[in-house]
Amino acid sequence: TQLLEQSPQFLSIQEGENLTVYCNSSSVFSSLQWYRQEPGEGPVLLVTVVTGGEVKKLKRLTFQFGDARKDSSLHITAAQTGDTGLYLCAGVPQTGANNLFFGTGTRLTVIP
Amino acid sequence: DVKVTQSSRYLVKRTGEKVFLECVQDMDHENMFWYRQDPGLGLRLIYFSYDVKMKEKGDIPEGYSVSREKKERFSLILESASTNQTSMYLCASTRLETEAFFGQGTRLTVV
Repeated sequence: TQLLEQSPQFLSIQEGENLTVYCNSSSVFSSLQWYRQEPGEGPVLLVTVVTGGEVKKLKRLTFQFGDARKDSSLHITAAQTGDTGLYLCAGVPQTGANNLFFGTGTRLTVIP
Repeated sequence: DVKVTQSSRYLVKRTGEKVFLECVQDMDHENMFWYRQDPGLGLRLIYFSYDVKMKEKGDIPEGYSVSREKKERFSLILESASTNQTSMYLCASTRLETEAFFGQGTRLTVV
């Protein structure tokens, strides 16, 4: 079983549409991170959220950490073809050591 | 520019061979991780290390071992490669709970 479940697994949308990707767990996390991975490369950090209820915005991307620190969402407004990639959430469980667990990933394709 | 470097981008090995995947980071990070990435399964943690000569099992350690003799280097060892170990392997390093920096990945094929 995965500690972090992401949904949807695949998402294909037209350029200009909005979308939301979810990251859920039954465990509490001290922080959650979102990464984007492009083909042939390692994941690259987009944002870290640390406080329950926290909302962070990076241009057209809005990240939210759930009040109970068990879940997070990524919302993209007016998607562009450059947003295409694999989106991964990751977190350090509150009860764990320094192990960083990753979600199952959402593969986003933005069609021109 | 910070860097995590994996020794090979692509490897092809035969079943039963002993395989070494090397990872070096230049950021003086305490924590280093080895993941494998398979379609639909995300990144699964194989082993991690929070200090020299320290190692902890992740979710899927069976068939693998690791070595961390120096702070900057974390090696993943496949004792006897099998076809179900064909995958993309990613190394990462972090300082405590901060951003994880990844290498470019090693795509291993076991035939």
